[in-house]
Amino acid sequence: EADIYQTPRYLVIGTGKKITLECSQTMGHDKMYWYQQDPGMELHLIHYSYGVNSTEKGDLSSESTVSRIRTEHFPLTLESARPSHTSQYLCASSEVAGGIGTGELFFGEGSRLTVL
Amino acid sequence: KNQVEQSPQSLIILEGKNCTLQCNYTVSPFSNLRWYKQDTGRGPVSLTIMTFSENTKSNRRYTATLDADTKQSSLHITASQLSDSASYICVVSDRGSTLGRLYFGRGTQLTVWP
Repeated sequence: EADIYQTPRYLVIGTGKKITLECSQTMGHDKMYWYQQDPGMELHLIHYSYGVNSTEKGDLSSESTVSRIRTEHFPLTLESARPSHTSQYLCASSEVAGGIGTGELFFGEGSRLTVL
Repeated sequence: KNQVEQSPQSLIILEGKNCTLQCNYTVSPFSNLRWYKQDTGRGPVSLTIMTFSENTKSNRRYTATLDADTKQSSLHITASQLSDSASYICVVSDRGSTLGRLYFGRGTQLTVWP
């Protein structure tokens, strides 16, 4: 079982609020990712990190930001949430050296965000 | 354009029956293909990985096949159980430069009825 944790699991907030989705892993993985998943659609990469102080934007444009101050922690922040941000957000990590296309992904259980 | 297409979109079978899920891809150059199982409300979990040289790989009641020539993979589930109800996602990795990329299918939603 993967040791990667996301909080909160569910969040309902009003438009304009600032939110932070937390993601922590205890496996010592250097690579971490945030994916966005909508019902019936494929996962879309929104952010990734190769290690401490390394963050990159993914394929899907997102108004969210991320930080990687510690290896085990990769939080995602939305400064001003909007209804269009309503989605499932999945955090993942992997240990294999190489690019983001290599290695097994270990996923957290997801954070389901609803913006009213 | 690199794509991953899965079929069927959804499938309902009775407990104990077998089923086969399909994944067609156009990703090139190909590195590997993984099947993930995603239970409702949970994150995906890797079932198996197929590399270019592998044709068949089994993991308990799951058997994955890969035909790199036709760019097709299948996931066969034998003697289905209620716990097999989930979304099965095909993910293909390319070998582009040092970055590599992952291409996700939309998944097949499998429902197993008692």
